[in-house]
Amino acid sequence: DADVTQTPRNRITKTGKRIMLECSQTKGHDRMYWYRQDPGLGLRLIYYSFDVKDINKGEISDGYSVSRQAQAKFSLSLESAIPNQTALYFCATSEGTGGRNEQFFGPGTRLTVL
Amino acid sequence: KNQVEQSPQSLIILEGKNCTLQCNYTVSPFSNLRWYKQDTGRGPVSLTIMTFSENTKSNGRYTATLDADTKQSSLHITASQLSDSASYICVVITTFWGSNSGYALNFGKGTSLLVTP
Repeated sequence: DADVTQTPRNRITKTGKRIMLECSQTKGHDRMYWYRQDPGLGLRLIYYSFDVKDINKGEISDGYSVSRQAQAKFSLSLESAIPNQTALYFCATSEGTGGRNEQFFGPGTRLTVL
Repeated sequence: KNQVEQSPQSLIILEGKNCTLQCNYTVSPFSNLRWYKQDTGRGPVSLTIMTFSENTKSNGRYTATLDADTKQSSLHITASQLSDSASYICVVITTFWGSNSGYALNFGKGTSLLVTP
């Protein structure tokens, strides 16, 4: 079974719609992250959370919000989707403090905003 | 601005051949460097990690090198296989990230490798 799962795997929606992407993990990690990946660009951090009570903005948080419902669950919401939010979205987890900790990525959600 | 530049952008090689992917960075202060492999339609998976004092790290047919003085890293793939076809991402970790974390990940755009029969 996958350690980091994302739902849905693919989603097509229309401009202005509210969308929620969900991430669950069974690795027992405290830290969770949301990234987006666009063709020709590197992964960019949207939000990160170090525990249930800790939420932090990343590099490109505008237009997004998150919720950490439990240690194992971290959701990303697009309150009013726009076409330039069309991208591949990845959730990741890591064990704890320090840059050496490996980030484990989910399989990704491909979002298309028409 | 911290930058991580990878070259080439894409590469096509024959099965069984070797290849080398490059990563140059301007990130400071440097903490460590990882190479990730991302198969099409999947999330990245870590191949190697190197700290400032490590020059070479191997993982099977993958060998990463690091020259911290010139701020360059390479990933060498030996005897390539069809399953090596993927995007390879260089990630350089710095030791500052906002007021809570203390570190940040700087991602390269990746090199797309295609291994053909």
